[in-house]
Amino acid sequence: AQTVTQSQPEMSVQEAETVTLSCTYDTSESDYYLFWYKQPPSRQMILVIRQEAYKQQNATENRFSVNFQKAAKSFSLKISDSQLGDAAMYFCAYRGIQGAQKLVFGQGTRLTINP
Amino acid sequence: ETGVTQSPTHLIKTRGQQVTLRCSSQSGHNTVSWYQQALGQGPQFIFQYYREEENGRGNFPPRFSGLQFPNYSSELNVNALELDDSALYLCASSPSGGITDTQYFGPGTRLTVL
Repeated sequence: AQTVTQSQPEMSVQEAETVTLSCTYDTSESDYYLFWYKQPPSRQMILVIRQEAYKQQNATENRFSVNFQKAAKSFSLKISDSQLGDAAMYFCAYRGIQGAQKLVFGQGTRLTINP
Repeated sequence: ETGVTQSPTHLIKTRGQQVTLRCSSQSGHNTVSWYQQALGQGPQFIFQYYREEENGRGNFPPRFSGLQFPNYSSELNVNALELDDSALYLCASSPSGGITDTQYFGPGTRLTVL
């Protein structure tokens, strides 16, 4: 079974600085998708960025980028120019390509932005 | 375009009771997934419905059941509630159930079992 591990329960960063959230996963599949979701206090899970495993190029969405290391099974999220609105729980998630669109989530990292 | 909506927002039940949670998919989406998120944890997959049929299930007992309707809205039913069922229940919809789809989440229903 696939597992996702986020080893940083909490992180903090100064506004306008850069922060990196870590994620590792375990799978025997060669093709899969990886995601970072943000969950603010409003509870709604919001997609931040996604990466297809077959793509070597790291995904980027504005201030958000990933460092995808397939051999190491590592998928970290870098947030540049941190803003107060980035404060939230961040979840790393894995989805295989077989069967249902089941997302396997990590335990989450709580990100605090200090003004 | 209307996003994923869920009702009710909050719910309090007692042990042994039954509960029904509702989800309306984003417009044009025919696939719905349900997740349970215990306090301080990541969400866990309960099951998924595609065109009114269950097409995947996580490690949850049969007292967790669901339905998807012709308009692709969905219900999650939980019988014989236990204290450990207290959690945030999230619904997510996607366009077609395809492997390239992204799931879009609703705001969740907070269930408290006393």
